[in-house]
Amino acid sequence: NAGVTQTPKFRVLKTGQSMTLLCAQDMNHEYMYWYRQDPGMGLRLIHYSVGEGTTAKGEVPDGYNVSRLKKQNFLLGLESAAPSQTSVYFCASSPRQELWVKRVQETQYFGPGTRLLVL
Amino acid sequence: SQKIEQNSEALNIQEGKTATLTCNYTNYSPAYLQWYRQDPGRGPVFLLLIRENEKEKRKERLKVTFDTTLKQSLFHITASQPADSATYLCALGTGKLIFGQGTTLQVKP
Repeated sequence: NAGVTQTPKFRVLKTGQSMTLLCAQDMNHEYMYWYRQDPGMGLRLIHYSVGEGTTAKGEVPDGYNVSRLKKQNFLLGLESAAPSQTSVYFCASSPRQELWVKRVQETQYFGPGTRLLVL
Repeated sequence: SQKIEQNSEALNIQEGKTATLTCNYTNYSPAYLQWYRQDPGRGPVFLLLIRENEKEKRKERLKVTFDTTLKQSLFHITASQPADSATYLCALGTGKLIFGQGTTLQVKP
């Protein structure tokens, strides 16, 4: 099992360019997440998905879009990159829970990250 | 406002000693708390989970405590080794996971 993989590992963009980050998991997990990690700050949730064909906004969704057309893939898109989007992006997945309420335990499995630099 | 805080200063300890990392939070009522390890250039890896009704959890050389009155969790690594050097993240379980910024631990031989 490869677990959670992310493509690409590193990318440099110019302001205004677009790109898509790909996340794939082979654990048959229902839930998938996109985070960004910046120095001195915790992981911040951008968007998440609780199943194929569904997506929802997280804490910092502005400037990003996502799609979950297949259960194993979760794509993060930047339509018009800005320097403020320079960050390390992590994808994660977790198994299905019966009810996604605060009492549910959700151990997350993370990918290796994508380092994005926007000039 | 809601906050989750970990010591931003790196923790340096000698091999064989016990490392203790702190996670404090305000204005959250988590049902559980998790600890993750993150090595440079890699994604976080889950270590331990402790529920709100549990005081302490152990796994090999790791121990976690959770005090919902103090709103604090302590993460201990006993008999620390240089291989334990990494950044450790705490995460509050509130439906979504809320992550702290992490504390870097450096264990010197």
